[in-house]
Amino acid sequence: RKEVEQDPGPFNVPEGATVAFNCTYSNSASQSFFWYRQDCRKEPKLLMSVYSSGNEDGRFTAQLNRASQYISLLIRDSKLSDSATYLCVVRRAGSARQLTFGSGTQLTVLP
Amino acid sequence: GAVVSQHPSWVICKSGTSVKIECRSLDFQATTMFWYRQFPKQSLMLMATSNEGSKATYEQGVEKDKFLINHASLTLSTLTVTSAHPEDSSFYICSATYIRGDTEAFFGQGTRLTVV
Repeated sequence: RKEVEQDPGPFNVPEGATVAFNCTYSNSASQSFFWYRQDCRKEPKLLMSVYSSGNEDGRFTAQLNRASQYISLLIRDSKLSDSATYLCVVRRAGSARQLTFGSGTQLTVLP
Repeated sequence: GAVVSQHPSWVICKSGTSVKIECRSLDFQATTMFWYRQFPKQSLMLMATSNEGSKATYEQGVEKDKFLINHASLTLSTLTVTSAHPEDSSFYICSATYIRGDTEAFFGQGTRLTVV
């Protein structure tokens, strides 16, 4: 089983739509959780951290359920510029703080 | 935010030659840097954890003699792909974190390696 699993995608949605991505992780000792965004042939960039209390940043809302080992990302009012691959990322416990990436979910927002 | 610079951004080399990729943290000190590889339509796979002043820790299945990592200072780590083969063609990305605190990782721009 992969350490971090995501929706396979791809998601093709019209502008203005609401889209949700899901992610599960297998290591219950995982320490921190993030959503990264990666554009084609570019490095990943942090979209937002994910907290147990849930957090929102503009049109983006992230949720973490530690009991179910489940992470979600909700994008409201999708824009064309939201088209990218969204990576669910988990930081391992321990001093080295390695990140483990999900396989990514590709989103295309259509005009 | 913090800046991590990776060089070169792309390189084409002949099979059997070696290629060195540099990763620098420009405005912060990083005791630990990470090297990832990403094949087309796949996610980033951690290759190794590079620790300043000590040997790198390699992930299972990654050949340490083929992928040489040197982390000589708090701002520079290098990855050398030795005796490159076409199957080594990939997107290589480094990342670094601050010395202290549980902060985000900052990524270099990535290096696209093509071995012909």
